Amino acid sequence: DAKTTQPTSMDCAEGRAANLPCNHSTISGNEYVYWYRQIHSQGPQYIIHGLKNNETNEMASLIITEDRKSSTLILPHATLRDTAVYYCIAHSPSSGSARQLTFGSGTQLTVLP
Amino acid sequence: GAVVSQHPSRVICKSGTSVKIECRSLDFQATTMFWYRQFPKKSLMLMATSNEGSKATYEQGVEKDKFLINHASLTLSTLTVTSAHPEDSSFYICSARTSGSSGEQFFGPGTRLTVL
Repeated sequence: DAKTTQPTSMDCAEGRAANLPCNHSTISGNEYVYWYRQIHSQGPQYIIHGLKNNETNEMASLIITEDRKSSTLILPHATLRDTAVYYCIAHSPSSGSARQLTFGSGTQLTVLP
Repeated sequence: GAVVSQHPSRVICKSGTSVKIECRSLDFQATTMFWYRQFPKKSLMLMATSNEGSKATYEQGVEKDKFLINHASLTLSTLTVTSAHPEDSSFYICSARTSGSSGEQFFGPGTRLTVL
């Protein structure tokens, strides 16, 4: 998996959009960008993933730059329950072997009341 | 999304005893399951990859005789921490991968192990 770089921590006001950046300048053509989050003392929760195009689901939006070297996860209306560590992972799911997701340090997002 | 369960969610044991943690994929079959360990304020670290019907593959530095992994069926993998010591106290998380070339990976809720 390509190395990803994320800020260590970010704050966001409740109700506002949270924009979490991720750099993955060495991402290869067959690697997707995955986002997971981990609320304290829970297992990681899948959020969204994408290859080239922007993606949106009920949880978040994923914006991937045209050169695919960076991406931004957007939580449109952050709530206190969105406080968690957010992990950005570049990963190829179709590697032909049972390759696992590799977690970096992630970004601690704190949503403030 | 698919659901992965772990049991127990929390266990406290005495030093020297063995502890078994179960990981189940509830609504899908998982030929591959992964076991991670997470220390406080640290990220998840892969311990081993568990393949149904075959021996697990352990990451460098993980003792296979201490962390016994069994993946006897497509929905169940177990991790047994043998002769546990206080330094084995950690948060253990399993993950199951759906089949197919673009298999997604889903995580269990984790098991908090405290060895006294």
